[in-house]
Amino acid sequence: QVQLQASGPRLVKPSETLSLTCTVSGDSVNDYYWTWIRQPAGKGLEWIGRLYPSGTTVSNPSLKTRVSMSLDTSKNQFYLKLSSVTAADTAVYYCARDRGLLSGNYFDYWGQGILVAVSS
Amino acid sequence: QSVLTQPPSVSGAPGQRVSISCTGNSSNIGAGYDVHWYQHLPGTAPKLLIFGNSNRPSGVPDRFSGSKSGTSASLAITGLQAEDEADYYCQSYDSSMSGLYVFGTGTKVTVL
Repeated sequence: QVQLQASGPRLVKPSETLSLTCTVSGDSVNDYYWTWIRQPAGKGLEWIGRLYPSGTTVSNPSLKTRVSMSLDTSKNQFYLKLSSVTAADTAVYYCARDRGLLSGNYFDYWGQGILVAVSS
Repeated sequence: QSVLTQPPSVSGAPGQRVSISCTGNSSNIGAGYDVHWYQHLPGTAPKLLIFGNSNRPSGVPDRFSGSKSGTSASLAITGLQAEDEADYYCQSYDSSMSGLYVFGTGTKVTVL
């Protein structure tokens, strides 16, 4: 069974960088695409970006200049960094397995989610 | 910045049938991209409910069904049960500047 677990600081100061880790078990980060998604309180889901096994990334145009993603195959983890955060970046952040274009473009396994607050 | 529109809420009594619509445009659903549905209980990980418009992953009851036509899709829940009370989101691929993936606005299903 594939499991994902997001972790990282739950409080980030405005203008600083939000950094999250997603640990994958039951699968290899080499074998699939991976995605970050977030949900601000009281709002809907927002796709942040996709990470390919090669390390190539593609992100939401609305966040593109602030988003950085990477993976570590030795640790079977992938990462999200969001720079210059503001209160608008306060949200529950999810990591998920991305089936990609050839398999239908959906997310079949999700992590529990981590609430990150941006506040001084 | 949801691109796909869903009704904010739907409700039904146990045993009844409810349906949730998901309306997109010519750059996502109308362009032929598949629609997928997720069930989300607060505090838990969203769960894939329907993929590829009408396919159920293993373990999802056949009370849940999906369909797609034109620029819209819908999720139907028949034989509504108390455990179905949750938020439901549709999702598709988008070829415009909205980003690769777009989600619906979300629908709260209440079991009366």
